[in-house]
Amino acid sequence: EVQLVQSGAEVKKSGESLKISCKGSGYSFSTYWIGWVRQMPGKGLEWMGIIYPGDSETRYSPSFQGQVTISVDKSLSTAYLQWTSLKTSDTATYYCVRAVGGTSGWFAPWGQGTLVTVSS
Amino acid sequence: QSVLTQSPSASGTPGQRVTISCSGSSSNIGSNSVSWYQQLPGTAPKVLIFSNNQRPSGVPDRFSGSKSGTSASLAISGLQSEDEADYYCASWDDSLNGWVFGGGTKLTVL
Repeated sequence: EVQLVQSGAEVKKSGESLKISCKGSGYSFSTYWIGWVRQMPGKGLEWMGIIYPGDSETRYSPSFQGQVTISVDKSLSTAYLQWTSLKTSDTATYYCVRAVGGTSGWFAPWGQGTLVTVSS
Repeated sequence: QSVLTQSPSASGTPGQRVTISCSGSSSNIGSNSVSWYQQLPGTAPKVLIFSNNQRPSGVPDRFSGSKSGTSASLAISGLQSEDEADYYCASWDDSLNGWVFGGGTKLTVL
C-alpha cells in the first residue's frame, strides 16, 4: 500500500524553528515528486511547493518562496518542510502529497496532516 | 483569493444530482488537466477525479468529472449523506509554474 506518514503535531512559539517530516512507503520514493499543502484553520488548500527526491529539484509557490524550505533524504524516503523563524500566521495543518503523473498530474495519496500551532 | 474559482457552497437532498463548478484560465484549466479532492470533516483530502474525468479505484461511479475550455465540473449523482464534505478542484498553472487550487465548495446534504 502506498502511504505517506507525517510527523506528529507541534506546538511552538513565534520565532522558533521547526522541521516536520513525511515518510513515503510502498512505492519507489525517488521517482515521484513530493509536495506540501497548507490548510489554515477553517480555510482552503494552498500549494506550497514540491521536490523531486531523485535529484532534489525544488519548486516553490511564489507565496511561500523564502518563507519555508523543502528538502528530502531519499535514503530515508523522507521529505521535510522547515521554518527558521515561525510566525503566528504559520498556524495551520500541513499535508504532504505524492504527485502522480508528473508536474501536471494529481495528488495521491495525502499524508494524514501535521498540525502546527504557533503562539506568541 | 484563489486562482481557481468555486462557489463556496452547494446543497442537495438525498438521491439528487448536484454539480460543483471550477473556473480557471488559459494558463491552468485551459491547458492542463483537472483533479478533484474530497475532504470529509476532520480528515485529509483524497482524490476523487484525476485527468479531468478519471476515477481512482474505489471511488463510486456516482462521482464524475468533466472539462470544457477553462472550466471544469464535478457531478455527484444519487446524493448520500456521507457525501457531505468540502470539495476542491486543482490544476497545474503554466504561468505560476505550480499547482493551484480552487477555494473549495462545502456540500451540504439536506
